[in-house]
Amino acid sequence: DQQVKQNSPSLSVQEGRISILNCDYTNSMFDYFLWYKKYPAEGPTFLISISSIKDKNEDGRFTVFLNKSAKHLSLHIVPSQPGDSAVYFCAASDFGNEKLTFGTGTRLTIIP
Amino acid sequence: EPEVTQTPSHQVTQMGQEVILRCVPISNHLYFYWYRQILGQKVEFLVSFYNNEISEKSEIFDDQFSVERPDGSNFTLKIRSTKLEDSAMYFCASRGDSSKEFFGPGTRLTVL
Repeated sequence: DQQVKQNSPSLSVQEGRISILNCDYTNSMFDYFLWYKKYPAEGPTFLISISSIKDKNEDGRFTVFLNKSAKHLSLHIVPSQPGDSAVYFCAASDFGNEKLTFGTGTRLTIIP
Repeated sequence: EPEVTQTPSHQVTQMGQEVILRCVPISNHLYFYWYRQILGQKVEFLVSFYNNEISEKSEIFDDQFSVERPDGSNFTLKIRSTKLEDSAMYFCASRGDSSKEFFGPGTRLTVL
């Protein structure tokens, strides 16, 4: 039961360009969404989040967009830097449940 | 910056043996979680813990699993009789008042 889907297992982007990572969800009860970044042999690191009352949240180079009607969110990284190379997971929760439901991840590679 | 810590970083055990994975959550956090990630798969929720009791658990968290907060700082996951399929990365997470969960670096469990 894949309630959170990241359909692109990998993405390569030139340094300095925009990276766009996508995530779709099926559970309409989800109302809080998070993006985590993960390096090999490390735990997920929180990047940015958005609640369902917003459609955009920005933090430095990272912007998350939420389209509730399409049940779609995206993470934009601009400009992309070599240190951004990692696996990115989107996760979702609803306020009635504490657990996070994760997508399968997208491996982002920034090409110098 | 406060962080979640986990020990050991790598645990190798024989099938049928008991293992205890340890976590020290961020000190002022009240909500604690265990997740796992089998190699090549997504991060999966196991259990959440609040006010000294389990608040939610997944289907994975069967009678072989237990959690405990033995003192004011540690949060442990015990697997009573390990199986080969328990081999995975186990992540501890904690959160305070916000919905953001902060993850530890993980313990790699290898069951032989």
